[in-house]
Amino acid sequence: GDSVTQMEGPVTLSEEAFLTINCTYTATGYPSLFWYVQYPGEGLQLLLKATKADDKGSNKGFEATYRKETTSFHLEKGSVQVSDSAVYFCALSSNTGKLIFGQGTTLQVKP
Amino acid sequence: GAGVSQSPSNKVTEKGKDVELRCDPISGHTALYWYRQRLGQGLEFLIYFQGNSAPDKSGLPSDRFSAERTGESVSTLTIQRTQQEDSAVYLCASSYRVDTEAFFGQGTRLTVV
Repeated sequence: GDSVTQMEGPVTLSEEAFLTINCTYTATGYPSLFWYVQYPGEGLQLLLKATKADDKGSNKGFEATYRKETTSFHLEKGSVQVSDSAVYFCALSSNTGKLIFGQGTTLQVKP
Repeated sequence: GAGVSQSPSNKVTEKGKDVELRCDPISGHTALYWYRQRLGQGLEFLIYFQGNSAPDKSGLPSDRFSAERTGESVSTLTIQRTQQEDSAVYLCASSYRVDTEAFFGQGTRLTVV
C-alpha cells in the first residue's frame, strides 16, 4: 500500500544552519505531496505542498521539490531559526483519497 | 464554522466503557479524516470519508472502533469497550477535496484508566 518514510529525529541544529529533512514515498499513480508542521502546543498546519512532478512548494523560507524519479519530497531551509523548532510531517494524498502521514521528525534549533 | 471543531477536548473514561468523539468539519469540506496520535508518535490513519461514504476503513484497529458521518458534515468516532491502549489524542481533519490542504482540529485527548 501507499506509505511515507521520513528520516528519524530528533534533528538538532544551531541557528542559521542549513536544514534537510528527508522524505520518500511509495504510491500508485500520481499523489499530491505535503509537508505539515506542528509547533509546540499547537495543532497541525500545512507548511507547503506540490501536486505534480518537478513542482516546488515553498513557504516561510522552506522548500521541497516533488521528485518522481527518486520518489522523494525532501524539506529544506537555508537558515533555520529558533522559532522553526517543531515536529514536521511529510504526507501524501493517494489516488484513492487517503491522506497518509510519515512518522514525523522533531527539529530542535538552538540559539 | 471557522475551523474544525472537536469535542470533547479531553475525556477520561474507565476501561470497558464506550466513548463517542465528535468532529465538526469546515462547512463545505467533502473529505473528513480521523487519525490517532499516541504520545511522541506519528499520525496513525484510522478512516476517511468522502461525503458520507467511507472508501477506506483499513486503519480501524479493531471491530471496537467505528465511525459515521451524516449530512456530509459532522462525524462521530465510537470506541466500544475501551482499553488502556486506546489512550491517545484523536485528531480530525477536513479538506475541500481529497488532494487539497487538510485543516486539523485541536484533537480529543482520551485517557482510559
